[in-house]
Amino acid sequence: QSALTQPPSVSGSPGQSVTISCTGTSSDIGSYNRVSWYHQTPGTAPKLIIFDVSRRPSGVPDRFSGSKSGNTASLTISGLQAEDEGDYHCNSYRGSTTFVVFGGGTRLTVL
Amino acid sequence: QVHLVQSGAEVKESGASVKVSCKASGYTFTSYFIHWVRQAPGQGLEWMGVIFPSDSSTDYAEKFQGRVTMTRDTSTSTVYMEVSSLTSDDTAVYYCARAVGYSPDYWGQGTLVTVSS
Repeated sequence: QSALTQPPSVSGSPGQSVTISCTGTSSDIGSYNRVSWYHQTPGTAPKLIIFDVSRRPSGVPDRFSGSKSGNTASLTISGLQAEDEGDYHCNSYRGSTTFVVFGGGTRLTVL
Repeated sequence: QVHLVQSGAEVKESGASVKVSCKASGYTFTSYFIHWVRQAPGQGLEWMGVIFPSDSSTDYAEKFQGRVTMTRDTSTSTVYMEVSSLTSDDTAVYYCARAVGYSPDYWGQGTLVTVSS
């Protein structure tokens, strides 16, 4: 059982928007602006797409956006494309004992 | 460009140890943390710990304390992670990943460790 809670799956049609939630506690997401999101396709390593809640690394399209409210972080993907399919993982800093926690991952299907 | 190249797949018996390497290139090795994250088959990501190559300081997830050791060799820009007392629950792909803080940006290709009973 993962420390952060994500829905197992979401889906959307090309061009639509989807939002993936990541729920933690006041010890992690609620206390730190250190939430990241990763995209992973089968057989490959995760790729960083959002860090520090809402910042995008160079090269990541602005179709990807992140936000946070209370103990829940969200990743929104607008203008869905077939290449967006795969698993999305969130993580958060949790302080100097546990340090880093991950969610269980969400499988995105583009219909 | 940044590259993290990990050692090859391993098959170990239950109770044995495994040591995975991660060779970094394309950046200043001592300026970034190296995290280790594992992924069991069909499961999510699990953070194991982190090493700061500059001073070799480490932090481990509570679950792995006493069973995981991370070390580095600055002469070859390589980080090592050793896991002891392996069980079938340790069967997973193990990734190293670079980070400024706790959000890894570049990841290695992964190393599959299979533990047979």
